[in-house]
Amino acid sequence: DGGITQSPKYLFRKEGQNVTLSCEQNLNHDAMYWYRQDPGQGLRLIYYSQIVNDFQKGDIAEGYSVSREKKESFPLTVTSAQKNPTAFYLCASSIAGTDQETQYFGPGTRLLVL
Amino acid sequence: QKEVEQNSGPLSVPEGAIASLNCTYSDRVSQSFFWYRQYSGKSPELIMSIYSNGDKEDGRFTAQLNKASQYVSLLIRDSQPSDSATYLCAVKRGSARQLTFGSGTQLTVLP
Repeated sequence: DGGITQSPKYLFRKEGQNVTLSCEQNLNHDAMYWYRQDPGQGLRLIYYSQIVNDFQKGDIAEGYSVSREKKESFPLTVTSAQKNPTAFYLCASSIAGTDQETQYFGPGTRLLVL
Repeated sequence: QKEVEQNSGPLSVPEGAIASLNCTYSDRVSQSFFWYRQYSGKSPELIMSIYSNGDKEDGRFTAQLNKASQYVSLLIRDSQPSDSATYLCAVKRGSARQLTFGSGTQLTVLP
């Protein structure tokens, strides 16, 4: 089955700890995205990548880092500099290159601070 | 002014009625518009996309776009309890990669 997988489903972070959220897709999509969703709010873009070894900051990149070493993978690290990391993190992907490209979402990772 | 605005609701309609969800956007160069449905605790799933002025129908769903008024709506006919969810409006500017999301409208369909 083609799709986007995210792991883990739940993640607990201690104070001062860096944690990494996994996102993998087998849709052969070029572009991948990370969004954050807080309760009762829409999605806000953290980072996105259009091609391997290239990525751009979104609206709320501070305290986060990403890498894109493979087309299929776009992991997100939540660093200790992110002071309010508790949220629902969503990874998405799309076929780049058209104005009408549609983004499809993975199941999400819920991050909680201990 | 928010870039994409939606009434947060909650919006309640009886089963079998038409649910009307509205979205306005501020950037006139926006070109692509998407409606996602999000069940509680789940990720968003695409319902409809629309790119040209007018109506686009897909089963019980109709998206309506009016670029002059910077307005996009989603109609759900014959609403079912399973349609109860939060509906997110998303807007994409031309060649920009990212989507801008509204905060969502919570819909409850009462049996």
